Amino acid sequence: EVQLLESGGGLVQPGGSLRLSCAASGFPFSNHGMSWVRQAPGKGLEWVSSISGNSAYTYYADSVKGRFTVSRDNSKNTLYLQMNSLTAEDTAVYYCAKIAVIARWYFDVWGRGTLGTVSS
Amino acid sequence: EIVLTQSPGTVSLSPGERATLSCRASQSVIDTQLAWYQQKPGQAPRLLIYGASNRAAGIPDRFSGSGSGTDFTLTISRLEPEDFAVYCCEQYGTSPPTFGQGTTVEIK
Repeated sequence: EVQLLESGGGLVQPGGSLRLSCAASGFPFSNHGMSWVRQAPGKGLEWVSSISGNSAYTYYADSVKGRFTVSRDNSKNTLYLQMNSLTAEDTAVYYCAKIAVIARWYFDVWGRGTLGTVSS
Repeated sequence: EIVLTQSPGTVSLSPGERATLSCRASQSVIDTQLAWYQQKPGQAPRLLIYGASNRAAGIPDRFSGSGSGTDFTLTISRLEPEDFAVYCCEQYGTSPPTFGQGTTVEIK
């Protein structure tokens, strides 16, 4: 069964950091680009970041550029998102998603998400 | 970036009825690169449609997508109890990919 399982969310103070992980199973992880998509409370989905299968290319939304870093470990079938300098606007459920087709950024597998809350 | 506006915000329907959901883009979506997703509380979002009209694997044929340019539609021909959920569209033809705010299909 194809599955994505996020972890690492929690409560952090403004200015703090969180590191999210996403464990993948059921498909050849290294062959697929992966993304993070978030959803703030009561809001729509927002693309955050993407990474190619071999980590050669990374992409970021303007809202997180310079603060967030996406990475992956293909030997562990795991995707990561390092989030620094967090603000209340970063409070959201963070989803890990598999890019369906190279150069076509729609997402055919999603995790259930992990909640990151930024509050003092 | 391309802004997607979905309407209506909420629609109340009964099982067996037809649902027609709209997604309008602020500029033309390249090559009909538009997807639809279903979201239920506490569950992973589910891909329904890609390329505006192609059903994803395992999606029942009561779900259909249409449209081009700036106007797209998701149609659920006969609502089943499990179809009551939030539906959102995504354009992926122009970077960054963007999503609509969602339409809630609720039981009347």
